[in-house]
Amino acid sequence: QSALTQPASVSGSPGQSITISCTGTSSDVGGYNYVSWYQQHPGKAPKLMIYDVSKRPSGVSNRFSGSKSGNTASLTISGLQAEDEADYHCCSYAGSSTLVFGGGTKLTVL
Amino acid sequence: QVQLQESGPGLEKPSQTLSLSCTVSGGSISSGGYYWSWIRQPAGKGLEWIGRIYTSGSTNYNPSLKSRVTISVDTSKNQFSLKLSSVTAADTAVYYCARYGSHTVDPDRAFDIWGQGTMVTVSS
Repeated sequence: QSALTQPASVSGSPGQSITISCTGTSSDVGGYNYVSWYQQHPGKAPKLMIYDVSKRPSGVSNRFSGSKSGNTASLTISGLQAEDEADYHCCSYAGSSTLVFGGGTKLTVL
Repeated sequence: QVQLQESGPGLEKPSQTLSLSCTVSGGSISSGGYYWSWIRQPAGKGLEWIGRIYTSGSTNYNPSLKSRVTISVDTSKNQFSLKLSSVTAADTAVYYCARYGSHTVDPDRAFDIWGQGTMVTVSS
């Protein structure tokens, strides 16, 4: 069971859109529609932003959206705001009742 | 509003067993529909799933840690616990407890509630 692959960092200017990828295999991301995304500000616990690939929990801005194609899931943030600067982590069901996270991506708002 | 709070020693010696507890408040750990989980994060790195327990006592573990991990639940205290044996410096991390929804709840199959995390350092 290997960690999912995420870019180490992405950046964007306020108002722009950015996309963070999360690449796995057919045994995890590609095999199930159970990908979730978490936002983590420095020194804080992660916060659920997206679940089941593209669903948003109550209270999460609709600027956040998720999708999946093959073995790669993506998180898109539109209308980038300064408060979006944080680390983002993806997580997928990996079969046999196990879960796997990505390495995390640092988002910088320029 | 359900809240989780980790507790335990912040320092552990190499080869010893790390023990942490997570207290659930604002709701019953026995209510069903959720897996109670442990996740860790070494400094500057990503999250690593350690394992989870259902209220029935059924457990699932990360294959890479399975031989050293035990997760248990104490419904009378509304707590669940983590034991990680034979620790080394590589086990130094912030340890989080979190709630993971089953297919019967919403949001499902995601960690919707997290504790604040507790730092554990393994050093002699």
